[in-house]
Amino acid sequence: DTGVSQDPRHKITKRGQNVTFRCDPISEHNRLYWYRQTLGQGPEFLTYFQNEAQLEKSRLLSDRFSAERPKGSFSTLEIQRTEQGDSAMYLCASSLGGDNQPQHFGDGTRLSIL
Amino acid sequence: AQSVTQPDIHITVSEGASLELRCNYSYGATPYLFWYVQSPGQGLQLLLKYFSGDTLVQGIKGFEAEFKRSQSSFNLRKPSVHWSDAAEYFCAVDAGNNRKLIWGLGTSLAVNP
Repeated sequence: DTGVSQDPRHKITKRGQNVTFRCDPISEHNRLYWYRQTLGQGPEFLTYFQNEAQLEKSRLLSDRFSAERPKGSFSTLEIQRTEQGDSAMYLCASSLGGDNQPQHFGDGTRLSIL
Repeated sequence: AQSVTQPDIHITVSEGASLELRCNYSYGATPYLFWYVQSPGQGLQLLLKYFSGDTLVQGIKGFEAEFKRSQSSFNLRKPSVHWSDAAEYFCAVDAGNNRKLIWGLGTSLAVNP
């Protein structure tokens, strides 16, 4: 079991640039989640996939943010025209479908906007 | 709206002492409840979960938590804390069919030698 893998672990970029993060879930998990966590806060839900279908998006996910899971396996989260306020840890989690299935988290991607 | 409150932002205990971290939730039905732990710069590791049945649940690393419906609480306990337990602890509630988690702000635990 390789767990949830996120890449890169750290990303430093200038304001206005585009960034893309990747998440590889646990292989048999059909649900995949993205969260954002800022310093001193708990994670905030961004979006959720079941297989390749994006079933919910938070209002936090502005039109600069887009997430995909094209084949129902790995997922990407893209942020266009980054802003200072986008600096955060971006966490990916996955779970099996159905009830009583906890979410398993990756180590996150820390984004720093210069 | 669903919410989770962790009243203690920071707690310091001595190694070997007992620990209780508080968590209160707001949710109309029976929630699914979780405790996760996060070490600096790391992701979140599941400590334990409550879905139904026995209200006292056992987790990893010697942790346990008790669900009390009358108090809307799900407090985390450990009888004897180890220095390696120093971390951030998050309580979360799964409050919908889509299974997104609603999180508390976390409690930072420091352990004195």
